Amino acid sequence: EPEVTQTPSHQVTQMGQEVILRCVPISNHLYFYWYRQILGQKVEFLVSFYNNEISEKSEIFDDQFSVERPDGSNFTLKIRSTKLEDSAMYFCASSMNRGPGNTIYFGEGSWLTVV
Amino acid sequence: AQSVSQHNHHVILSEAASLELGCNYSYGGTVNLFWYVQYPGQHLQLLLKYFSGDPLVKGIKGFEAEFIKSKFSFNLRKPSVQWSDTAEYFCAVNQGGKLIFGQGTELSVKP
Repeated sequence: EPEVTQTPSHQVTQMGQEVILRCVPISNHLYFYWYRQILGQKVEFLVSFYNNEISEKSEIFDDQFSVERPDGSNFTLKIRSTKLEDSAMYFCASSMNRGPGNTIYFGEGSWLTVV
Repeated sequence: AQSVSQHNHHVILSEAASLELGCNYSYGGTVNLFWYVQYPGQHLQLLLKYFSGDPLVKGIKGFEAEFIKSKFSFNLRKPSVQWSDTAEYFCAVNQGGKLIFGQGTELSVKP
């Protein structure tokens, strides 16, 4: 079964550093997402991306965050200047469409630790 | 905005026990509901989903869920759990193409 793949699986970074999390969505999918889960909290929506632009973003997704699909296969999340509270598991996801019954497929997650 | 509540944070069962995990959502209109499972070290996997039709939905690995509109609930059930069901379970609702998740329920099954 096709999978969403993410790298790295775990990254430790110093506060203030830039981080790029990478994802390869399922190849024929058109919608891409980033979610995050802070330890002990809910999985939260960050951003959705379609047709090479952000289609929706949450209030968490402030100017420190950006997404890009640089080459038609990768989908990246950049955190420009990390803060301690950015420590979380970041999940990439993709889907074929957005209609009723649509299934969103998730990657294994990238665990980010900011020290 | 919709919200999803999972009332059980951690459930511990012995093998062969029956399972029911609660999920309630806030929205009163048409909903698409999902249960995802995350086994240790793995990605979120879809267990089952409801978007219309029969309110009793059967998923993979013997799981089922019942959509009860009057109770705003979508509880997950399995008649007899196995040690391999140890995982975290997430209920979610589709809101405009994105998923709104509950807090998750950690299930531990003792052999």
